[in-house]
Amino acid sequence: EIVLTQSPGTLSLSPGERATLSCRASQSVSSRYLAWYQQKPGQAPRFLIYGASTRATDIPDRFSGSGSGTDFTLTISRLEPEDFAVYYCQQYGSSPRTFGQGTKVEIK
Amino acid sequence: EVQLVDSGGGLVQPGGSLRLSCAASGFTFSSYWMSWVRQAPGKGLEWVANIKQDGSETSYVDSVRGRFTISRDNAKNSLYLQMNSLRAEDTAVYYCARGGYWFEYWGQGTLVTVSS
Repeated sequence: EIVLTQSPGTLSLSPGERATLSCRASQSVSSRYLAWYQQKPGQAPRFLIYGASTRATDIPDRFSGSGSGTDFTLTISRLEPEDFAVYYCQQYGSSPRTFGQGTKVEIK
Repeated sequence: EVQLVDSGGGLVQPGGSLRLSCAASGFTFSSYWMSWVRQAPGKGLEWVANIKQDGSETSYVDSVRGRFTISRDNAKNSLYLQMNSLRAEDTAVYYCARGGYWFEYWGQGTLVTVSS
């Protein structure tokens, strides 16, 4: 099983700032099969990115993903008020599908 | 518009059973892998199971294999999760999701509480 470790646990930033979230895998994620999700309290997760860097439909271009192998990054170029939430990475290169434990982006 | 509506959750005693349902609309259900993902209170996301378009392949996380069964009825555009021998650690919000690899659309979730 591939274990995904996200850091930091919490990121305290102000609107307009840049957010950089890390996701590290315990073994290489084949073919960059990594996705990112956003979740707000009381809501289902929202799909953001697949293939490590391809934005899902209707996702703003301030969200970008990068990385390969065992190290992946989600960057939010300029935080909007609606971006404060918990973010999860997920690998789908092998079974079982696994998620990171999440990074909370909170308002500073 | 893609919609997934989860139902069937509730309070059940340890060792009991529950069947979750997910009603799909707005897309060709029979063309997609489908999955169940759960989230324990205050915790992160955990993939539970997935099923191929025609139901011929299924896969489970180790912690539920042998106790949970995922199934689908393409004629009714519905996904199911039969949960037997429930344990306290199965307490979670259960989401159905479209996809077997990444999860593009999610239901609103249904809460399962296992407690005496």
